[in-house]
Amino acid sequence: DADVTQTPRNRITKTGKRIMLECSQTKGHDRMYWYRQDPGLGLRLIYYSFDVKDINKGEISDGYSVSRQAQAKFSLSLESAIPNQTALYFCATSGSQGYGYTFGSGTRLTVV
Amino acid sequence: GENVEQHPSTLSVQEGDSAVIKCTYSDSASNYFPWYKQELGKGPQLIIDIRSNVGEKKDQRIAVTLNKTAKHFSLHITETQPEDSAVYFCAARKNNAGNMLTFGGGTRLMVKP
Repeated sequence: DADVTQTPRNRITKTGKRIMLECSQTKGHDRMYWYRQDPGLGLRLIYYSFDVKDINKGEISDGYSVSRQAQAKFSLSLESAIPNQTALYFCATSGSQGYGYTFGSGTRLTVV
Repeated sequence: GENVEQHPSTLSVQEGDSAVIKCTYSDSASNYFPWYKQELGKGPQLIIDIRSNVGEKKDQRIAVTLNKTAKHFSLHITETQPEDSAVYFCAARKNNAGNMLTFGGGTRLMVKP
């Protein structure tokens, strides 16, 4: 089984719908992250969590929310999806010193 | 905060040639520099990293060099093969501010057979 599992792998949704992307990990890491990748290649940080009771905004948090349900689970929600949120979304985990970032396989989200 | 710039954004080489990707960082407090490879349909995977107390590190056909004075580091791939085709990301980590990575914009490497 993968260390970091994201579901779904692909999703098409309509403008205005609420959607949740889920991430679970077996690395035992405290830290979890959500990134967005657009066709221009770069990874942009949406939200991150250093432990179950800690949630922090990243550089592009507007229009997104997260929930850290347990050490191993970190979900990303789009409350009202819009077409410019069409992108590839990655969940990642790391140890407390910032080493060993491990990424999931990504969720390709299309908002029509 | 930290800013990491990566060049080039795309790189095409002939199989067997070498490829070099360069990154610069802005914060002299950064002390850890990993490189990630993202194959089509997959998430980025760590391929090599270097810490600030080392100037060079090698692992088979890949190597990373670090110049702390100039605040830049590079990934070198020798004897490139088609399976090296991917997107490569550099990153830098400061030993404070939560020890988080800042990523470069990525380089799409294409190795032509």
